[in-house]
Amino acid sequence: GQQVMQIPQYQHVQEGEDFTTYCNSSTTLSNIQWYKQRPGGHPVFLIQLVKSGEVKKQKRLTFQFGEAKKNSSLHITATQTTDVGTYFCAGRGGSNYKLTFGKGTLLTVNP
Amino acid sequence: SQTIHQWPATLVQPVGSPLSLECTVEGTSNPNLYWYRQAAGRGLQLLFYSVGIGQISSEVPQNLSASRPQDRQFILSSKKLLLSDSGFYLCAWFPDLGYNEQFFGPGTRLTVL
Repeated sequence: GQQVMQIPQYQHVQEGEDFTTYCNSSTTLSNIQWYKQRPGGHPVFLIQLVKSGEVKKQKRLTFQFGEAKKNSSLHITATQTTDVGTYFCAGRGGSNYKLTFGKGTLLTVNP
Repeated sequence: SQTIHQWPATLVQPVGSPLSLECTVEGTSNPNLYWYRQAAGRGLQLLFYSVGIGQISSEVPQNLSASRPQDRQFILSSKKLLLSDSGFYLCAWFPDLGYNEQFFGPGTRLTVL
């Protein structure tokens, strides 16, 4: 079945440093989504990427979808304490009904 | 606007006891519904999904079952809980295939002792 690998599992940064998490799928994806889960909370949708090579920005967050539509990344510039949480990628492959989630990257930020 | 409810928020159950978690969605019809489990505060494992009343797809064979008795109601059950059933259970829904995101409920934190 489809697998989505995400690295790193954990990342601890000083406030102001940059952060990147990477996703890699075993199969070509129709689209990929990113979610953020604050400690103790539930995942909240951030963005969806659909096109090969697509790049989208949300303020300090930059999302990329690979040319082969098998990998993606999320980059945060100048992290803040409000960025703390677990970031998940989720890919949709052959089934329109299911998302396959990566294991997530837990980001902690030292003020 | 649409809202998703889950209850209870937290639950502590002894090994071997039954389980029933409920999820309901308001403000929409015929949603695609999902049950996920998150163990140790990390990855999301899809357990079941449903595209309509009485239609259940199981992703992982295990000690759990799901039912959808009404359009906007999704229930997760077990006859006898195991220690390994502990975790954070999240219900989610998709409005339809044309929408982008899954909306997650607040979750139920289950501890099996």
